[in-house]
Amino acid sequence: DARVTQTPRHKVTEMGQEVTMRCQPILGHNTVFWYRQTMMQGLELLAYFRNRAPLDDSGMPKDRFSAEMPDATLATLKIQPSEPRDSAVYFCASGSAGGPETQYFGPGTRLLVL
Amino acid sequence: QKEVEQDPGPLSVPEGAIVSLNCTYSNSAFQYFMWYRQYSRKGPELLMYTYSSGNKEDGRFTAQVDKSSKYISLFIRDSQPSDSATYLCAMSAVGVGTYKYIFGTGTRLKVLA
Repeated sequence: DARVTQTPRHKVTEMGQEVTMRCQPILGHNTVFWYRQTMMQGLELLAYFRNRAPLDDSGMPKDRFSAEMPDATLATLKIQPSEPRDSAVYFCASGSAGGPETQYFGPGTRLLVL
Repeated sequence: QKEVEQDPGPLSVPEGAIVSLNCTYSNSAFQYFMWYRQYSRKGPELLMYTYSSGNKEDGRFTAQVDKSSKYISLFIRDSQPSDSATYLCAMSAVGVGTYKYIFGTGTRLKVLA
């Protein structure tokens, strides 16, 4: 049963600390998405990778967020320094370039910045 | 004003009822229309996906798109307690922005046994 995995599942940190979230996409998928979900804004696209190359990161606050894919099995999202307004659930999704029917979401990382 | 609007609910219905969930949108370039189901503390999962206008049926679920009104609907027949979840609509345009899904904030549905 192929699925997207994310670690950690929960993270509590203090303002100013660095936060790193990891995602393992489904084997064979060549697209990776990072989303942030809050009650007020819903799901927002932060970054999109295809074949490990970042094609769109316009949804990310550039001064503190960064996203990378060091290899095909790992995507990372970093926040440095973290702020209370970053508290949210961060989802990774992977898919093939075929279309939305191929996109699968991970279980999310629930982040709380105090 | 948001590109995609969705009533947050909550919507409570008795088991067996027909449920109607709706979204409106403002961007006429949207051509892909999706419905996701999200259980509490889980990631969204794709339920239905349609391209352009028309209806699509899958078991108890029917998705409708009315591009002239910029309005999409998801109908759930014979609703079950297991359908209790948050339902998110999402849309994207064709071409470069195909991957850029714009999500509604979700409607929370509770089906009472």
